[in-house]
Amino acid sequence: AQSVTQPDIHITVSEGASLELRCNYSYGATPYLFWYVQSPGQGLQLLLKYFSGDTLVQGIKGFEAEFKRSQSSFNLRKPSVHWSDAAEYFCAVGAAEYGNKLVFGAGTILRVKS
Amino acid sequence: KAGVTQTPRYLIKTRGQQVTLSCSPISGHRSVSWYQQTPGQGLQFLFEYFSETQRNKGNFPGRFSGRQFSNSRSEMNVSTLELGDSALYLCASRAGTGTATNEKLFFGSGTQLSVL
Repeated sequence: AQSVTQPDIHITVSEGASLELRCNYSYGATPYLFWYVQSPGQGLQLLLKYFSGDTLVQGIKGFEAEFKRSQSSFNLRKPSVHWSDAAEYFCAVGAAEYGNKLVFGAGTILRVKS
Repeated sequence: KAGVTQTPRYLIKTRGQQVTLSCSPISGHRSVSWYQQTPGQGLQFLFEYFSETQRNKGNFPGRFSGRQFSNSRSEMNVSTLELGDSALYLCASRAGTGTATNEKLFFGSGTQLSVL
């Protein structure tokens, strides 16, 4: 069965500092991987996704993620964090053979200090 | 284009009651999925509907059910509410011509259900 682990429940970074949010997945074949962001009281917004090809994926709002098959990881990065990036971030994995459902990680809450 | 609309935004019920939540997908989208979000269990897939047919179902008891209408609007129903059903229920829509793994999912803001 698919599973997703986000080891960090909370992360605090200073505004302007770089950011890396970790995500590890468990799945037998090549998964489809996603990062979503959720602001308080809101639904989820897709930041980026990986299906195949180039392992470095660019997303919206200056985010990028790198798929590393050998480490079963799909970490999210941003070179310079803005205060508006404070939110909860979810990594998710999907596969067509699992009926198109997404399996989400527990989420990482990002706090940005000025 | 309007986004995914979920009503009501907040709901308070007592144990044993039943509740119906509504989701209007983005115009033209034929697939609607439901997810339950709780602090303890995170986001969990409930079910997906496409063209009025349930295509996939998560590991939830039969008290959780749903349906989709010909205009793609969807409702989910929870009968005999339990305290543990308190959660944010999120609806997501996509065009439906591909799969959820290669089509962008658009989420609504959710319905916050509190069971007392």
